[in-house]
Amino acid sequence: AQSVTQPDIHITVSEGASLELRCNYSYGATPYLFWYVQSPGQGLQLLLKYFSGDTLVQGIKGFEAEFKRSQSSFNLRKPSVHWSDAAEYFCAVGSSGNTGKLIFGQGTTLQVKP
Amino acid sequence: DGGITQSPKYLFRKEGQNVTLSCEQNLNHDAMYWYRQDPGQGLRLIYYSHIVNDFQKGDIAEGYSVSREKKESFPLTVTSAQKNPTAFYLCASKGQGAPEYGYTFGSGTRLTVV
Repeated sequence: AQSVTQPDIHITVSEGASLELRCNYSYGATPYLFWYVQSPGQGLQLLLKYFSGDTLVQGIKGFEAEFKRSQSSFNLRKPSVHWSDAAEYFCAVGSSGNTGKLIFGQGTTLQVKP
Repeated sequence: DGGITQSPKYLFRKEGQNVTLSCEQNLNHDAMYWYRQDPGQGLRLIYYSHIVNDFQKGDIAEGYSVSREKKESFPLTVTSAQKNPTAFYLCASKGQGAPEYGYTFGSGTRLTVV
């Protein structure tokens, strides 16, 4: 069955430090992969997506992610975290078949220390 | 600007009462989705619709109902049969075709049982 795992429920980093959020997926074919960010009480905003081609994907707000097929991973990175990056982050995979649904990981809450 | 509007932002339900959450989009998207979000569980699919007058159950449809009488609207009713309805509900829509055409999320409705 298709699934997405975000191993880290909660991460705390200092402002200005680098960030890496982990995402592992289980999927039979080439996956469609997404990272979303959610501020408290808000909807989801798309940070970046991967469908094919270059395995290093650039997104908004200075985020990037690297698709590694051999490791079934799609980790999100940012070189220098800002206090405004504090939020919850979701990794998702587009499911096979014709539902068009997204399968989400459990989410990682990012806290930024001043 | 095009987007998805969910209303109300906060909703309170008494035991045994049905309530309806509104979702309207002006993106001319064919597909619409309802997700439920609980802390630590990511988002789970309740119902989806790919075309007017047709909809399908998702992974956790019990205790919910939907309708799709217009392309722009996909209301969700939380019935009294839903035993644990307190959650954050997100509506999403997607253009025709594969996932790369992109999903748009509303800002959510927080439902609380009182």
